[in-house]
Amino acid sequence: EVQLVQSGAEVKKPGESLKISCKGSGYGFSDYWIAWIRQVPGKGLEYMGSIHPRDFDTRYNPSFQGQVTFSVDRSIDTAYLQWVSLKTSDTAIYYCARSATVTTQLTFWGQGTSVNVSS
Amino acid sequence: VLTQSPGTLSLSPGDRATVSCRASQRVDSAYLAWLQQKAGQAPRLLMYATSYRATGTPDRFSGSLSGADFTLTITRLAPEDSATYFCQQYGNFPPTFGQGTKLEIK
Repeated sequence: EVQLVQSGAEVKKPGESLKISCKGSGYGFSDYWIAWIRQVPGKGLEYMGSIHPRDFDTRYNPSFQGQVTFSVDRSIDTAYLQWVSLKTSDTAIYYCARSATVTTQLTFWGQGTSVNVSS
Repeated sequence: VLTQSPGTLSLSPGDRATVSCRASQRVDSAYLAWLQQKAGQAPRLLMYATSYRATGTPDRFSGSLSGADFTLTITRLAPEDSATYFCQQYGNFPPTFGQGTKLEIK
């Protein structure tokens, strides 16, 4: 069974750093792209970008370029989304999802990680 | 930009629901998906390439394209269909989502 299991909820202060994770199982982790999607509470979905675990090819949505960093640790089939300095506007639920290519559907989704940034 | 209508739909069990998604620029039918998000849950892929059901999607769900309007149709509504439905295009980078249509089952 394909699963993407994300790390738990986070409560942070503005200016702090954060790295959340997405662990894949039940499939060849290096064979599929991992996308990150943001959902502000009560709002819609925003695609942040994708990373391919095999060669670390990374595609950022220009709206998020420079604001976040994607990474992967192939040894533990885990993808990461990282912030160096959080803002209150980063408060959202972050989902990871799997796709065959950058231009194919997001077939499987993680359960989401809630990030609350507040002073 | 993908614009969905209506924003909210309130229907009864057994009814038929129709959700529309209009793209401001051309979207190839091979690159349009529908996602279902139930309250407190992650989105789930429902349909892809306009009319193909994802694994586990009941055949009460169907998708179509007419001109620039993509449509998700749900027949014989059941209480478990209560959710927010999003369209998504993934043919043009970056992929984008519609703003969502909330379906309430009375």
